[in-house]
Amino acid sequence: LAKTTQPISMDSYEGQEVNITCSHNNIATNDYITWYQQFPSQGPRFIIQGYKTKVTNEVASLFIPADRKSSTLSLPRVSLSDTAVYYCLVGDMGTDKLIFGTGTRLQVFP
Amino acid sequence: DAGVTQSPTHLIKTRGQHVTLRCSPISGHKSVSWYQQVLGQGPQFIFQYYEKEERGRGNFPDRFSARQFPNYSSELNVNALLLGDSALYLCASSPAGYEQYFGPGTRLTVT
Repeated sequence: LAKTTQPISMDSYEGQEVNITCSHNNIATNDYITWYQQFPSQGPRFIIQGYKTKVTNEVASLFIPADRKSSTLSLPRVSLSDTAVYYCLVGDMGTDKLIFGTGTRLQVFP
Repeated sequence: DAGVTQSPTHLIKTRGQHVTLRCSPISGHKSVSWYQQVLGQGPQFIFQYYEKEERGRGNFPDRFSARQFPNYSSELNVNALLLGDSALYLCASSPAGYEQYFGPGTRLTVT
C-alpha cells in the first residue's frame, strides 16, 4: 500500500479556500485516492475519492496531476465547522483495509 | 436511515481484564472493519470481516479477536488488557470497496 505524506497542520480563516496537498510517490496503477475528515471523538467521514484529473462534489474538489504522485484536496470558503483532521489515503478499490497516516489538522479562525 | 452504531460509548477496564465491543453496520452493508485510534494518531486497521469471514487482519497481537454474526453485526474482543490498549475503537461498515462509513466509536480506558 502506498505511503502518504501530508502537512501536520494548517491554519486558515473563514471564507478562504484551503488546499491540502498529499504526496504518494509510490502509488500503484490500481490505487485510488480518498480523503476523510474527522472531528474530535467521532469516526472519520468520507469526503471525496478520485483516480485521476479532477473530481468535484458538494463539499470539496480533488485535483490529481497526470503522474498521480500527489493530490490536492480543495475546500472552498471554509467555515469554523471545517476545523478537523483531514486524512489522505491511497489504496486499491477492492480492499476495505484503510491505511491512515497522521493526517492534517486544519484550524479555521474567525 | 441509521448509521453505524457502536456500544458501549465509553468503557473503563482494569489491566488484565477482557472487553467486548459491539458494532451494528448500516442496513445492507455486509462488510465490517475495526480500527484502533490512539490519541493524536490516525486510525489503525485491526480486522475486516465480510459475510462472516475474516478478510484482513492488521498488525495486532492475538489478544485481539473478532467475529461477525449472520445479521452482519460484529464484536471485537480484547483479552488481557494492557494500558496501551486505551484508545478509541472504531467500527466501519461498507457495501464494498473503499468508501467506509464509520461509527462514533467506543472510548476504552484501561487503568
